[in-house]
Amino acid sequence: EVQLVESGGGLVQPGESLRLSCAASGFGFSDYTMNWVRQAPGKGLEWVSSISKTGSSVNYADSLKGRFTISRDNAKSSLYLQMSSVGAEDTALYYCVKSSWGYPEGRFDSWGQGAPVTVSS
Amino acid sequence: DIQMTQSPSTLSASVGDSVSITCRASQSVILWLAWYQQKHGKAPTLLISKTSILESGVPSRFSASGSGTEFTLTIRSLQPEDFATYYCQQYNSYPWTFGGGTKVEIK
Repeated sequence: EVQLVESGGGLVQPGESLRLSCAASGFGFSDYTMNWVRQAPGKGLEWVSSISKTGSSVNYADSLKGRFTISRDNAKSSLYLQMSSVGAEDTALYYCVKSSWGYPEGRFDSWGQGAPVTVSS
Repeated sequence: DIQMTQSPSTLSASVGDSVSITCRASQSVILWLAWYQQKHGKAPTLLISKTSILESGVPSRFSASGSGTEFTLTIRSLQPEDFATYYCQQYNSYPWTFGGGTKVEIK
């Protein structure tokens, strides 16, 4: 059974940094593109970032303006999201999401339960 | 970026009704369109991919169609567990984008 467990969320002040982690199990982590998708309170889903199987290719939503960095450690079956210069607009539940096998890789077949991030002073 | 527009944003229906949700893309996504269901307080789940392919375990009362820029999700004979919010998502090109969601609520 695929399991994706996020951690590292919490309350952070505007302008500060935060690192989210996702521990994956139940599948061959290094064989799949991984993603972060967020959902602001009461709002819809927003794709944040994707990273290829080897980590050699990454993509980000334009709205992030270079503030976030996605990475992975295949030896640890873990996905990360380094968030910097956070603002109120980054307040959301951040989901760790596994892409399905095959191309295109933007089909999301497994989701974690989410890590809540609240940006407030 | 490809903008995804869903309609309606809210849909009121009764158990046993059939409902349809429309998703329009600002440019062609060919057939690379997925549908997700999100129940209150839960993570989304993938229902349908490549426009019309039901994921394993999804009931056959769900169906979907379309191509290019216009897509439809239909639920026949709504069941109590189907009351949820549904999102379309294009995965033809980055950035992958979601529709705003359609909440299917009990009338």
